Amino acid sequence: DADVTQTPRNRITKTGKRIMLECSQTKGHDRMYWYRQDPGLGLRLIYYSFDVKDINKGEISDGYSVSRQAQAKFSLSLESAIPNQTALYFCATSDLAHTSLRGPFFGQGTRLTVV
Amino acid sequence: DAKTTQPNSMESNEEEPVHLPCNHSTISGTDYIHWYRQLPSQGPEYVIHGLTSNVNNRMASLAIAEDRKSSTLILHRATLRDAAVYYCIDDKIIFGKGTRLHILP
Repeated sequence: DADVTQTPRNRITKTGKRIMLECSQTKGHDRMYWYRQDPGLGLRLIYYSFDVKDINKGEISDGYSVSRQAQAKFSLSLESAIPNQTALYFCATSDLAHTSLRGPFFGQGTRLTVV
Repeated sequence: DAKTTQPNSMESNEEEPVHLPCNHSTISGTDYIHWYRQLPSQGPEYVIHGLTSNVNNRMASLAIAEDRKSSTLILHRATLRDAAVYYCIDDKIIFGKGTRLHILP
């Protein structure tokens, strides 16, 4: 089983619809992140959370919201999806260990298409 | 915000060493330098990280400048499977566009 699991892996939705992307992890990490990746570009940070009661905006949070339901779960919502939110979305986890176990560790990604 | 800068792309011949540079002139004194790579259609994967001293692991070596304003990821003998986008980041975990590494057979 993957340590960081994203669901769904692929989704097509219509403009204006609300959609939630889910992320769960079995690594026991406190820190979780959501990124988006557009073709030819690097990863851009949307939101991050350092523990269950901590939520922080990243580089591009407009149009997105998140919920940290538990240490292991961090979901990303698009309240009213628009076509320029079509992208590949990655969830990641990390902690503060000073070893290669520190992370961040990434899920396999969710490909979202807004039509 | 701390930011890293890398060349957009690099090429190397198969079975030769590759040196991937990264500038991180605004990195804080306690932030680690991390390197990740992303293969096509996959999420980024960890390669190596370090603070001040040079580091070696089974995948690569990391050479960190004495002033910590730059670092170099070294792949000792590139293979075709090393073709990927390589990212250098600090503890803020803000990714740039990375360096796309092309390996020529």
